[in-house]
Amino acid sequence: RKEVEQDPGPFNVPEGATVAFNCTYSNSASQSFFWYRQDCRKEPKLLMSVYSSGNEDGRFTAQLNRASQYISLLIRDSKLSDSATYLCAVRKAAGNKLTFGGGTRVLVKP
Amino acid sequence: DADVTQTPRNRITKTGKRIMLECSQTKGHDRMYWYRQDPGLGLRLIYYSFDVKDINKGEISDGYSVSRQAQAKFSLSLESAIPNQTALYFCATSDNGGSTPYEQYFGPGTRLTVT
Repeated sequence: RKEVEQDPGPFNVPEGATVAFNCTYSNSASQSFFWYRQDCRKEPKLLMSVYSSGNEDGRFTAQLNRASQYISLLIRDSKLSDSATYLCAVRKAAGNKLTFGGGTRVLVKP
Repeated sequence: DADVTQTPRNRITKTGKRIMLECSQTKGHDRMYWYRQDPGLGLRLIYYSFDVKDINKGEISDGYSVSRQAQAKFSLSLESAIPNQTALYFCATSDNGGSTPYEQYFGPGTRLTVT
């Protein structure tokens, strides 16, 4: 089993709709969690950090479920510009390395 | 100006050639990382450095070497390039303190093709 797993998608989302997807992690000692957004052939850009139970930033909400070992990202009122690949990253308790999932592709359509 | 820069942005090289990818940052971060990204495999860590005197192997360091010339500079070398090293390479940095010590910030990437 991979340390960090994501559904590759694509999630086809009508503009204005809500979409949510998960990232599961295998190491229960994981401490910090991050969502990055990556546009095609561009660098990942930090979208949100989660250090406790969750975080919210505008239309984006991240929720951490430690019991089931997953973190979710919810996008409300989807915009065409939200079309991208969303990467989940997890930090274990020891060290500062991040382990990335393979990404979830989201396509928002008119 | 970008906080993390990478040169070159694109490179095509032949099998067996030595190639160096360079990364510079103006964020003042102590920690720097090199990743490669392949379709469907996500980002994989090659090497990382927590300060100028610290170099550590990542999960896929074979065939690569690094040099931390200064706090702001971290270079990745392929001593003898092979076709399966064709990938998108990213440099990243992170702080070692403050309120967000683990967040990593990425450079624009280098697209490397080995023929």
